[in-house]
Order: sequence, then structure tokens, then C-alpha cells
Amino acid sequence: KNEVEQSPQNLTAQEGEFITINCSYSVGISALHWLQQHPGGGIVSLFMLSSGKKKHGRLIATINIQEKHSSLHITASHPRDSAVYICAVPNSGGSNYKLTFGKGTLLTVNP
Amino acid sequence: NAGVTQTPKFQVLKTGQSMTLQCAQDMNHNSMYWYRQDPGMGLRLIYYSASEGTTDKGEVPNGYNVSRLNKREFSLRLESAAPSQTSVYFCASIMDRVGYNEQFFGPGTRLTVL
Repeated sequence: KNEVEQSPQNLTAQEGEFITINCSYSVGISALHWLQQHPGGGIVSLFMLSSGKKKHGRLIATINIQEKHSSLHITASHPRDSAVYICAVPNSGGSNYKLTFGKGTLLTVNP
Repeated sequence: NAGVTQTPKFQVLKTGQSMTLQCAQDMNHNSMYWYRQDPGMGLRLIYYSASEGTTDKGEVPNGYNVSRLNKREFSLRLESAAPSQTSVYFCASIMDRVGYNEQFFGPGTRLTVL
């Protein structure tokens, strides 16, 4: 089973700041997922990436396959970005697609 | 498209009671999953189904049963609820093809067992 570590666990920022959330995993993967969960809310997929970088609005996800590390960046953060951000990677081996999830990073953006 | 739907949204049970959580997706996805989410822990896989008629245990299957009724529906049953099953339950689905494995989640069911 792949092991996933996220840092930091909690992050507080002021509106407008640049945010970075990190994710490390133990076993080589085909793709990595970033998910977002608002307080009391459902979970939505932000990115699925297997190499390089992806950008969606103010969110940027990067991955370094050799170092087994990914980062999620938020530019010009806004209070509505306050949420838990979760990294997930596929388990190694097996024919079915199953994910191991990090414990999440709670981001609070203050106005 | 409604995506992934779950019912109920909230439920309170007494120890020993049974209930079924329903999940349906309208995206023609092959694989479906049931997860539980507890404070301080990542999402943990209870059961999954790679296709209609097949189910397999995940990381924390004890106390649960599942049924993949058809391609659209995947239900989770608690036969005799225990306080340790108090959690938020999420259903999810994916196409399960290379490059098409974005996970789509239902809104969740918040279950309390007294």
C-alpha cells in the first residue's frame, strides 16, 4: 500500500497570500489526485496529474515523479479557498484502481 | 447529469439497528467505492466494486456488506450498527480507464450510532 504524507496539517493565511501544500508518497504511481472538501461539504476533484504541472484558475498542481512529491499552490488566496485539501495516490499493484488518501491540510484564509 | 447521489444525508441509529446507505451514479462509470471519513484520519476504503456483480473488501470492511445491484447502484449495509461506525460515509465512482480515473464523490451521509 502506498503511504501518503501531507504537510502542513493546518495552514492559516491572509487573503492575497500565496499558498503551498505538499504531498509525498512512498511508491511510484501512475497519477496523483488533489481533492477539495469545504467544511461540512462534499469532496470534489481538483486535479489528476501524472507529470509536470496543471493549472486551473488560481490553483496550480505540480508533481515530481522522481522525488515522489507533489505540491498544490493557490495564488492570490481568498476566504472562499478555506477548505481541506486532500492528496491521494493509487495503491501499488493489483488490477483495480484504489486510492490511498492523505489526512488532508486544513486551510483557513482570513479576510 | 446528477453525478453521484447518496441517501440519506443524515441518519441516527441505535446500537444493533440495521440500515442501508444508497448510492447511484449516472455517468456510466465502471468502478464504485464506499469510504468512511473520521476525524484525524484520511478517507478509508470500506468496499469497492470494479464492475456490476463484483465486489471486494477494502481496508475497513468489518461490520459492512455491499451490493452492486447494477452498473448505476452500489449500496452499503450495516447489519448491526455499533458506535464505532459513527462516521461520514462517501460513495465515489470512476470510469476506471487509463487517463479517466478522476474520482466523483457523492455528498456524503453523516451517520451517528448511539
